[in-house]
Amino acid sequence: EPEVTQTPSHQVTQMGQEVILRCVPISNHLYFYWYRQILGQKVEFLVSFYNNEISEKSEIFDDQFSVERPDGSNFTLKIRSTKLEDSAMYFCASGEQIGYTFGSGTRLTVV
Amino acid sequence: AQSVTQLGSHVSVSEGALVLLRCNYSSSVPPYLFWYVQYPNQGLQLLLKYTTGATLVKGINGFEAEFKKSETSFHLTKPSAHMSDAAEYFCAVSGGYQKVTFGTGTKLQVIP
Repeated sequence: EPEVTQTPSHQVTQMGQEVILRCVPISNHLYFYWYRQILGQKVEFLVSFYNNEISEKSEIFDDQFSVERPDGSNFTLKIRSTKLEDSAMYFCASGEQIGYTFGSGTRLTVV
Repeated sequence: AQSVTQLGSHVSVSEGALVLLRCNYSSSVPPYLFWYVQYPNQGLQLLLKYTTGATLVKGINGFEAEFKKSETSFHLTKPSAHMSDAAEYFCAVSGGYQKVTFGTGTKLQVIP
């Protein structure tokens, strides 16, 4: 069964550093998403991406966040200057039909 | 805009008993409804989804959910709980190829 692959599974970074979270969506999917889940809290929408551009973003997705499809297969989330409150599990998802497939997540710990 | 309310952050059932996890939604457009399951330290796995058509939806692992428009509900059930069902369950709603809005989750404990 096709999978959404996320790397790394766990990343520790110092506050103020830039991080790039990587995702390989399912190959024939057209819609891509990032969500995050702070420990013990609900899953929150960050951004959706379609046709090589952002289609919707939440208020969480401020100027320190950016997304890219650098080579037509990978889908990355960059956080420019991490803060302690960015510590969370970040999920990538892709979809072709209603109801997308999530990756297993990257746990980001900012120290 | 869409929102989801999951009643009960923790639910405990005995092994073999009925599982009932409650979800009510609010949506300004015809909703697409989902249940996801999350095992500890893992990602989100789609259990089932309702888009259109039959209101009783069957999913994986013996779970099913019924869409009741009049009650704005999409409760998840399983006739007989198994120890392996212990996980966190998220109800979610979307308006199509839009963002999915998740509920706060219900942790299911299965007592032997």
